[in-house]
Amino acid sequence: QQQVKQSPQSLIVQKGGISIINCAYENTAFDYFPWYQQFPGKGPALLIAIRPDVSEKKEGRFTISFNKSAKQFSLHIMDSQPGDSATYFCAASLIWGGSRLTFGEGTQLTVNP
Amino acid sequence: DADVTQTPRNRITKTGKRIMLECSQTKGHDRMYWYRQDPGLGLRLIYYSFDVKDINKGEISDGYSVSRQAQAKFSLSLESAIPNQTALYFCATSDRLDGVNTGELFFGEGSRLTVL
Repeated sequence: QQQVKQSPQSLIVQKGGISIINCAYENTAFDYFPWYQQFPGKGPALLIAIRPDVSEKKEGRFTISFNKSAKQFSLHIMDSQPGDSATYFCAASLIWGGSRLTFGEGTQLTVNP
Repeated sequence: DADVTQTPRNRITKTGKRIMLECSQTKGHDRMYWYRQDPGLGLRLIYYSFDVKDINKGEISDGYSVSRQAQAKFSLSLESAIPNQTALYFCATSDRLDGVNTGELFFGEGSRLTVL
């Protein structure tokens, strides 16, 4: 049973476009929602994170939008670049900053030049 | 050198064989984890350890065992490997959760296991 559902499974975007990846969760007790980025042949690495009392968090070209009532959150990558091509995982934890994460299924993003 | 090192990076084995995946870290973190990655299923937690004397099952521990030999070393064993254990395995570490540190996970580069 997947407690965090992620879509789409794969995404192709042109350079300069906006990439949007969506996640939905079931457990309203989740208190921490990070996104991890994984390049081919590497392990995932923390990209950005948000807590449920904030509706949006922005770091450079990466923005998390959070909708607590809908139990959904999304990652937006503005001005997408070929170097952003990677697999992205959303995740959730019961504790703010907690390390016991439930991950989504992953989205493979390809940004064409 | 990588902060979280996994060995072997690739392994092909046969059904019924015992296999051990090893992880060592130089980050000085107390907490260590083993995850499994399968296409379309994301990352799933197998076991985790918050210190040397603490071992906990994750979501999918059946068929696996672990050993925390030291703060820096955490190994994953498959006592009798089966084909559906073919996957990419990741070790990760994190610091203690306190007012300064979050539980950010630091992953190794993965061990690809194929069970024939």
